[in-house]
Amino acid sequence: QQQVKQSPQSLIVQKGGISIINCAYENTAFDYFPWYQQFPGKGPALLIAIRPDVSEKKEGRFTISFNKSAKQFSLHIMDSQPGDSATYFCAASWSGSARQLTFGSGTQLTVLP
Amino acid sequence: IAGITQAPTSQILAAGRRMTLRCTQDMRHNAMYWYRQDLGLGLRLIHYSNTAGTTGKGEVPDGYSVSRANTDDFPLTLASAVPSQTSVYFCASSARGTGSTDTQYFGPGTRLTVL
Repeated sequence: QQQVKQSPQSLIVQKGGISIINCAYENTAFDYFPWYQQFPGKGPALLIAIRPDVSEKKEGRFTISFNKSAKQFSLHIMDSQPGDSATYFCAASWSGSARQLTFGSGTQLTVLP
Repeated sequence: IAGITQAPTSQILAAGRRMTLRCTQDMRHNAMYWYRQDLGLGLRLIHYSNTAGTTGKGEVPDGYSVSRANTDDFPLTLASAVPSQTSVYFCASSARGTGSTDTQYFGPGTRLTVL
């Protein structure tokens, strides 16, 4: 049972464009939503995270948009760069599961120069 | 400071063999985790440890065991490997226990192939 559904599976964007990755969740108890970035041959690293008390969080070129009623959240990468080419994972957790992270299936982003 | 180290980097293993994946962290983090990463499935939690001396089961614990004798080390053992355990395994740690939203820091991974 996949509690966090992520799309698209892969994404190709031109340099300077906007990359958008979407996630939807089922468990309404989830209250922490991080995004992880993974480069080839490396472990994932936290990129940005949001709690449902805000609808948007921005850090540099990366923005999380959160829609609690729709149970959806998305990552927007503005002015995408070739160095952003990586696999991105959304995740979610709640206190009742000892804060175990439930990950989405991942999106492989390629930014063309 | 290395953060999290994992060994081996990669391994090819015959089915039925026993294998221990090693994980060491130097950040004095309380919580440690083992995940497996499979294409199209993301990362799935195998086992976790809230603090030295305690362990817990994650989403996919069958066929795996862990121990946490001290703060720094969290080995993952496959008692009798099967081909379905072919995967990339990541160890992670976070400062406080699993009840917090502290950032999880991941190691570089171990690529395991079971034939």
